[in-house]
Amino acid sequence: GAVVSQHPSRVICKSGTSVKIECRSLDFQATTMFWYRQFPKKSLMLMATSNEGSKATYEQGVEKDKFLINHASLTLSTLTVTSAHPEDSSFYICSAPPYPNTEAFFGQGTRLTVV
Amino acid sequence: GQQLNQSPQSMFIQEGEDVSMNCTSSSIFNTWLWYKQDPGEGPVLLIALYKAGELTSNGRLTAQFGITRKDSFLNISASIPSDVGIYFCAGQPSNSGYALNFGKGTSLLVTP
Repeated sequence: GAVVSQHPSRVICKSGTSVKIECRSLDFQATTMFWYRQFPKKSLMLMATSNEGSKATYEQGVEKDKFLINHASLTLSTLTVTSAHPEDSSFYICSAPPYPNTEAFFGQGTRLTVV
Repeated sequence: GQQLNQSPQSMFIQEGEDVSMNCTSSSIFNTWLWYKQDPGEGPVLLIALYKAGELTSNGRLTAQFGITRKDSFLNISASIPSDVGIYFCAGQPSNSGYALNFGKGTSLLVTP
């Protein structure tokens, strides 16, 4: 299957700082990538759709200024958690479909802990 | 997005037993996917289904896309300890592009 790489896998940061998470499609181009958030023992909840060359589309209730998304190339999308707070601690996962209307492959996830 | 109804929530079985889990939705889906997630990892795709009625196997795993396009099931035959994990169904609604809606997951525990 297609490979999606996410970095870092774990990050601990202080409250008030910003953290950037990268999502890369290694062997295909992705005009669209998705960012999910997952709480312990819960399902994945879609946060936003990252669109190459245009603004991201955010789900209802997700703060655009808090979770900045940039999709500057066909193989890279970044999620920046700005002014992080302990309640932002979570597991963040990206996904990308290699072709239109096909299955999405997921990155390894990033465990963010804000202290 | 819409949350799918996935059941059972958890299963505790013995090695060698067969397992069945399913997902239902109140709306039609174009695609049904089944993923397995290990702790601290991203979901790994197990089976993808694209047509109503489609039955697809991947080793000991078998999944079907319901005729009504509102449900899917996943069967695991002759379970082994490494089958332990959380299994998620995911569906792509007709009008959502590529974004997936996920079930709440089925936690599977297998004892030797």
